[in-house]
Amino acid sequence: GAVVSQHPSRVICKSGTSVKIECRSLDFQATTMFWYRQFPKKSLMLMATSNEGSKATYEQGVEKDKFLINHASLTLSTLTVTSAHPEDSSFYICSAPLSGSYEQYFGPGTRLTVT
Amino acid sequence: AQKVTQAQTEISVVEKEDVTLDCVYETRDTTYYLFWYKQPPSGELVFLIRRNSFDEQNEISGRYSWNFQKSTSSFNFTITASQVVDSAVYFCALSSSGYSTLTFGKGTMLLVS
Repeated sequence: GAVVSQHPSRVICKSGTSVKIECRSLDFQATTMFWYRQFPKKSLMLMATSNEGSKATYEQGVEKDKFLINHASLTLSTLTVTSAHPEDSSFYICSAPLSGSYEQYFGPGTRLTVT
Repeated sequence: AQKVTQAQTEISVVEKEDVTLDCVYETRDTTYYLFWYKQPPSGELVFLIRRNSFDEQNEISGRYSWNFQKSTSSFNFTITASQVVDSAVYFCALSSSGYSTLTFGKGTMLLVS
């Protein structure tokens, strides 16, 4: 089946620094990818839709300047958390729909801890 | 607006018991898709099933079964003869098309001991 990878799987950074998370579709092309955020013991909340070749679409309440999304190619989307703060600590998950399929494939997630 | 409600926050059962996880959804779309995902402690979401709004046939896959009732807007998930490995958080989700974003319920944590 289709595979989506995320890198890194875990990252610890200091307040004020920026962290980049990569989401790759390994064996299929994804013109669209989705970024979700999950707080401990909470549900997944959609942050933004990443579109290859155009700007990302952010959900209401998500700061565009803080969560920079770049869909550099048909297999790669990146989420950069800029000037991270402890409240940004969370589990970030990306997903990509496979063209012609109704299924979304999720990455394994990235656990971000900001100290 | 779409909404998914999983009223059960946490369920604890003893091995071999049957357990049903409830899911109620709201949508104005006539075409929509319902999903169940399993999230073990590792965090990775595991796809379990997808059902479209035109297919009300119940489905059974091994110890798993799903009951889709459009009349009550429910898509419940039953695990028969539960096992310790079934312990995880289970999410019900809804999308208006196969390519759109998913609206997730809050999840039900299942503990099998």
